Amino acid sequence: EAGVTQSPTHLIKTRGQQATLRCSPISGHTSVYWYQQALGLGLQFLLWYDEGEERNRGNFPPRFSGRQFPNYSSELNVNALELEDSALYLCASSFARNEKLFFGSGTQLSVL
Amino acid sequence: AQRVTQPEKLLSVFKGAPVELKCNYSYSGSPELFWYVQYSRQRLQLLLRHISRESIKGFTADLNKGETSFHLKKPFAQEEDSAMYYCALSGYNNNDMRFGAGTRLTVKP
Repeated sequence: EAGVTQSPTHLIKTRGQQATLRCSPISGHTSVYWYQQALGLGLQFLLWYDEGEERNRGNFPPRFSGRQFPNYSSELNVNALELEDSALYLCASSFARNEKLFFGSGTQLSVL
Repeated sequence: AQRVTQPEKLLSVFKGAPVELKCNYSYSGSPELFWYVQYSRQRLQLLLRHISRESIKGFTADLNKGETSFHLKKPFAQEEDSAMYYCALSGYNNNDMRFGAGTRLTVKP
């Protein structure tokens, strides 16, 4: 069974540009979570999608947005990139609420 | 809103010694608590959850609602336990999973 896949693995952008990160959940999983893992800060909750709807978002500015497609894959968009957006972005999926999360390997975003 | 606190960023013990990784939470409803682990060059993965009441790789964790804690314990640490450990909480009212800052455990030979 394929795990959660994220693309690209690495992404280099300059300040002010836009970044798009993609996530494919495990087959049968309908919930997708996005986290930012900056150095020394643990996992900061960004967004949660379930059945195509945004269910909750963390304490991040509106330039962080995303969506979930009918096949449950998801996209995270970060507009007007700032240097402090440099981090590892992790996607996770689960098949139901309150069930364990399965994580992808992450996208390392570097903003120069 | 739910909040998870892991007070120790780093924890170092010798092989064979007991280990306890602390986790405290705040949540007004009924929480679901988890421990996730990330070994070197591997993905973050579930270690255990409180509802299962099971021991995984010798680790156990008990939910103490009075102290709002979910500490992870192992009586005899092994070198292969060296990893990053995250405590996480999901609430039945608001089901997104929130994580603590993590504790890096090093087990020395």
